[in-house]
Amino acid sequence: QVTLRESGPALVKPTQTLTLTCTLSGFSIGASGMCVSWIRQPPGKALEWLARIDWDDDEFYSTSLKTRLTISKDTFKNQVVLTMTNTDPVDTATYFCARTFIPAGGSPGIDYWGQGTLVTVSS
Amino acid sequence: QSALTQEASVSGTVGQKVTLSCSGNTNNIGGYAVDWYQQISHGAPKTVMFGNSLPSGISDRFSGSKSGTTASLTISGLQPEDEADYYCSTWDYSLSGRVFGGGTKLTVL
Repeated sequence: QVTLRESGPALVKPTQTLTLTCTLSGFSIGASGMCVSWIRQPPGKALEWLARIDWDDDEFYSTSLKTRLTISKDTFKNQVVLTMTNTDPVDTATYFCARTFIPAGGSPGIDYWGQGTLVTVSS
Repeated sequence: QSALTQEASVSGTVGQKVTLSCSGNTNNIGGYAVDWYQQISHGAPKTVMFGNSLPSGISDRFSGSKSGTTASLTISGLQPEDEADYYCSTWDYSLSGRVFGGGTKLTVL
């Protein structure tokens, strides 16, 4: 059974660095074709893709946020970590991690989602 | 403004067939498979269409298609539990990133 679980602080102060962890179960981030993405959703707004890391260590970032984001993985712990520097109240959102799978010869697609974690940026 | 364009809202009656659309360009929908996600009451999204495949556990009332730079999600035999926000998403070659639509709010009358 594939599950993803996000964890991290519920509240951060502006300018602080936010660190979120996604713990994976039922699959290995080290397995060929496996990737994990981070997506966020501000209250009442649409989904916004943030970053993706692949089984082979390739990393991809949102163009608008790439200077503030770092995604990394720990294959032994089967976890993916997202850090966001210099947070601002506009970063208040529910943050989701999601499994992205690239089938052989196919396109990357998101098939499983975590439950999400609400992060509020406020002083 | 989202990279992919979806209707803001669509409505249908129980038993009806509805089609949601998702418009992009040659850098995204034109070159990659499109996923569709269902989000009920701002909970966790659930994938209802993974490219051309129906994920395990998803009703076969859901089907997806693509023509050029427009993708569609069709829900047949609309049920009250289908009322949700629906998002389309795909990879964008020029951005080297994933893009989403702004979401369609589906109301079941």
